Amino acid sequence: QLQLQESGPGLVKPSETLSLTCTVSGDSVSSSRYYWGWIRQPPGKGLEWIGTIYYSGNTYYNPSLKSRVTISVDSSKNQFSLRLNSVTAADTAVYHCARLTSTGYHPFDYWGQGTLVTVSS
Amino acid sequence: DIQMTQSPSSLSASVGDRVTITCRASQSISSYLNWYQQKPGKAPNLLIYAASSLQSGVPSRFSGSGSGTDFTLTISSLQPEDFATYYCQQSYSALLLTFGGGTKVEIK
Repeated sequence: QLQLQESGPGLVKPSETLSLTCTVSGDSVSSSRYYWGWIRQPPGKGLEWIGTIYYSGNTYYNPSLKSRVTISVDSSKNQFSLRLNSVTAADTAVYHCARLTSTGYHPFDYWGQGTLVTVSS
Repeated sequence: DIQMTQSPSSLSASVGDRVTITCRASQSISSYLNWYQQKPGKAPNLLIYAASSLQSGVPSRFSGSGSGTDFTLTISSLQPEDFATYYCQQSYSALLLTFGGGTKVEIK
């Protein structure tokens, strides 16, 4: 059974860098069958796609966040990571990691439970 | 960027009602449209992919239709466990993905 688990600090200061890791069990981040992505949800609001990575290292980012986002993959640990720099209160959200199929219609078919990150001094 | 507009943003319905949620894309996305259900405090759950294909394990009362710019999610007979927020998501634009704003289905 595939599981994704987000981890990282729950509190980040303004102007600093938010760093989260998604640990995958039950599948390999090196699989050519899937992409791996990050999605966030501010409290009481809708879903926002942040970015996606392929095992080859190819990345795709939300244009509105592109200048501040880096997603990377660590095959040796079966993890992928998110870094978002220069954060503000507007980056406070529940951050989810998820898997997408690499062929067909690219739905997010498995999700992590999400982790709340609060940006505050 | 492709924008996704859902309507209504919320609705009230009773158990047993037929419920329809609409999603409109700002340009044609063929059938690259997926639907998710999210309950409070939980991760979204994939219901429909490729506009009309039912994800494994999802009850058959859920169905999707449409292509191009206009799409519909239908719940044929609303059950108590279906009260949740529903999101559409397009995957047409070279993995530059966008979600609709969501539709909250509440108990009448």
